[in-house]
Amino acid sequence: DQQVKQNSPSLSVQEGRISILNCDYTNSMFDYFLWYKKYPAEGPTFLISISSIKDKNEDGRFTVFLNKSAKHLSLHIVPSQPGDSAVYFCAASATNNAGGTSYGKLTFGQGTILTVHP
Amino acid sequence: EAQVTQNPRYLITVTGKKLTVTCSQNMNHEYMSWYRQDPGLGLRQIYYSMNVEVTDKGDVPEGYKVSRKEKRNFPLILESPSPNQTSLYFCASSPLTGWDQPQHFGDGTRLSIL
Repeated sequence: DQQVKQNSPSLSVQEGRISILNCDYTNSMFDYFLWYKKYPAEGPTFLISISSIKDKNEDGRFTVFLNKSAKHLSLHIVPSQPGDSAVYFCAASATNNAGGTSYGKLTFGQGTILTVHP
Repeated sequence: EAQVTQNPRYLITVTGKKLTVTCSQNMNHEYMSWYRQDPGLGLRQIYYSMNVEVTDKGDVPEGYKVSRKEKRNFPLILESPSPNQTSLYFCASSPLTGWDQPQHFGDGTRLSIL
């Protein structure tokens, strides 16, 4: 049972344009969401996060949007750069210890390979 | 330099031969965790630890053991490895102040079980 899903295995965009990566979740107890970026032969690195009390969080070129009613979040990268080419993972956690899950447990999606062409 | 160090980076071994993957962090983090990455499945959490002597199961704990006797170390033990445990493994650590303090990941250990 995949509780966090990234339905697009890959995304290709032109340098300077917007990249939009999507993530859906099924567990309504999730209340904190994170995005990680991963280059080949390296561990994931944290990009940006959002708690369920917000619907948007910005950090430079990266913005995460959360739609709780649709159980959907998205990561926008504007403008996209060739160095952004990597695998992007969304992740979710239930931090309030309810519903059989516990703080400390983190569920990731399958990942989306982003390629930004010069 | 703040880092999470995993050893070995690569290992090819045979079914049933016990192995341990070590993980060490130098940031005095309370929280540590193990993940495996498989094609089409993303990262899946195996075990995590909130502090010394406190461990809990993630989503895929079967076939694995962990221990947290010291704050800096969190070894992953495969008592009787099987081919379905062939995977890329990552260890991570973070302060226990919330997910707004991001996890630092090691560079991974690629295990092949023949």
